Order: sequence, then structure tokens, then C-alpha cells
Amino acid sequence: GAVVSQHPSRVICKSGTSVKIECRSLDFQATTMFWYRQFPKQSLMLMATSNEGSKATYEQGVEKDKFLINHASLTLSTLTVTSAHPEDSSFYICSPKGGGTEAFFGQGTRLTVV
Amino acid sequence: LAKTTQPISMDSYEGQEVNITCSHNNIATNDYITWYQQFPSQGPRFIIQGYKTKVTNEVASLFIPADRKSSTLSLPRVSLSDTAVYYCLVGLPSGGSYIPTFGRGTSLIVHP
Repeated sequence: GAVVSQHPSRVICKSGTSVKIECRSLDFQATTMFWYRQFPKQSLMLMATSNEGSKATYEQGVEKDKFLINHASLTLSTLTVTSAHPEDSSFYICSPKGGGTEAFFGQGTRLTVV
Repeated sequence: LAKTTQPISMDSYEGQEVNITCSHNNIATNDYITWYQQFPSQGPRFIIQGYKTKVTNEVASLFIPADRKSSTLSLPRVSLSDTAVYYCLVGLPSGGSYIPTFGRGTSLIVHP
């Protein structure tokens, strides 16, 4: 299967600071990137969809000014949680779309805001 | 977008066969059925994918009846390490409008 690298795997930050999460598709080009959030014992919830070189489309209830997504290249997308608060603590997962018959997912990032 | 319904949880014992069924009554003609496994604090991992009848790989089998309105993931001789959440997704991954959409999944607990 394709290789997706998501970094960092876990991060702890202070309330009010910003955190950047990177997602790389190592052996294929991702024209589209999906970002998910997963709270404990819940399913993956789509936050936003981004296409390379254009602005991301956010799901209802997701603040675009808080969750900044950059998809500047076909192999790298970043999600920045700005002015993080404890309620932003969650598990964030990226999924680069390469056009094949299988969806691939990053290893996830456990964000804890203290 | 085809909605999926799975049992919330299942329990089994080591060495047993586990079958998890997913209902997807409004599956579209071109949709595939894909199953993922997720361990705590990890991203979903691909298990198996099929379109119709039966598919088998080294870890699982997928049974899809002729009407394709449901599918069954079969895990032979489970071990403790198979304890995880299993999701079935329906759609055409190569399609331009495809978005991997997750239902609640099935939490499988394998007991010694």
C-alpha cells in the first residue's frame, strides 16, 4: 500500500498557542487531502477537504480561521490549529487521495491542549 | 452517499471466526465496499475491498451477496491483536467526488 507520513504523532501545547500537523504522501501525488478529527470512542469526522493549490472546503461547524489548511504541493498538506484550546484536544488524521481504488490514512496526531 | 450500518460492538474469543456484517441498502452501481481496521491512537488501516461475490486475502474474507445491500467481513481464527474497531466504507475511491465517510464502526473485543 501507499505510504503516508503524518507528523507529529503526538503533541502537547499550551492553551492559546498554535500547532502545525504535517501530512506527506511519500510515493504518490495527492490532488486532494481529507482531514479528520476523532474524539474518544467516536468515529472519524471529516473536517475539511483541500485540493492542491486551492482553498480548502470546510464541513459545517468547523471554523476555517481556527483550522488552517495548506495544500501547496501534491505531496504535502498541513493543518494548523491556531489559538488552541482544551476543547481542540483530539486525534487528527489526514487522508491523501491519489486516484486509486483505495483510501490511505496517516498515522494520526494526538493533540492535547493544556 | 451510501449510509452504512454495523453492530456497535462484538465479543469473541481467541481462535474463533468472527463475522461482522455491514448494511448499505442504497449502495450505488459503481460503489466498492472497503473495510478498515483501527487501533487506538492509530489511523485506519486497509483490510480488504470488494465489489461483488467473495474476496479473500491473507488476513480476511469479504462476502457480498448478489444484491450488494450488505457485506460481511470474516476474520478467521482471531487473536487478541485483532481487538480493534472495524469500519465498512462504501463508495468509488477513484471517483472525483469520493470522500471516505465513516460510520460508527464495530468495536471487536477478543478475549483470551
